[in-house]
Amino acid sequence: AQSVTQLGSHVSVSEGALVLLRCNYSSSVPPYLFWYVQYPNQGLQLLLKYTTGATLVKGINGFEAEFKKSETSFHLTKPSAHMSDAAEYFCAVSDYKLIFGTGTRLQVFP
Amino acid sequence: SQTIHQWPATLVQPVGSPLSLECTVEGTSNPNLYWYRQAAGRGLQLLFYSVGIGQISSEVPQNLSASRPQDRQFILSSKKLLLSDSGFYLCAWSELREDNEQFFGPGTRLTVL
Repeated sequence: AQSVTQLGSHVSVSEGALVLLRCNYSSSVPPYLFWYVQYPNQGLQLLLKYTTGATLVKGINGFEAEFKKSETSFHLTKPSAHMSDAAEYFCAVSDYKLIFGTGTRLQVFP
Repeated sequence: SQTIHQWPATLVQPVGSPLSLECTVEGTSNPNLYWYRQAAGRGLQLLFYSVGIGQISSEVPQNLSASRPQDRQFILSSKKLLLSDSGFYLCAWSELREDNEQFFGPGTRLTVL
């Protein structure tokens, strides 16, 4: 069965600092991987996804993620955090449904 | 373009009262539909999914039920709410495609008192 592990339920960074949110997956087949963002009291919005091809995937709001098969990882990064990036982030892997991680809450301090 | 609507946006209900949450999708046909719940401080829990009218799969046994009376309408119901039913309910849809990318509605905040 496929699964997703997000390391760190809370991450805090200063404005302008690097954002790194970690996601490891388990899959018996080549995975489809997603990052979603959720702002308070809103639904989830797709940030980016990996299906096939280039392993470095660029998404919205300056985020990107790199698929590393050897490490079974799909970490999310952004070079410079902005206050508006404060939100909860979910990694997901696709089975016959999406399997979500437990989420990482990102706080950005001025 | 496709849009997904949920209502109501917020709801406060007493324990033991019935529940009906509605989700509709526009701009697509025969979508897969999903109901999720987020309890406070917890991740997403898939409750139900549907691949067609009248076809409902339950992921978690509980006192909730789901129905799909029309192609683009998905309803979440309960006959008697429990305190533990409080949470943020999200509806999502996907096309029949290999990667199963899902698109989420704005959610309904349910508080059971």
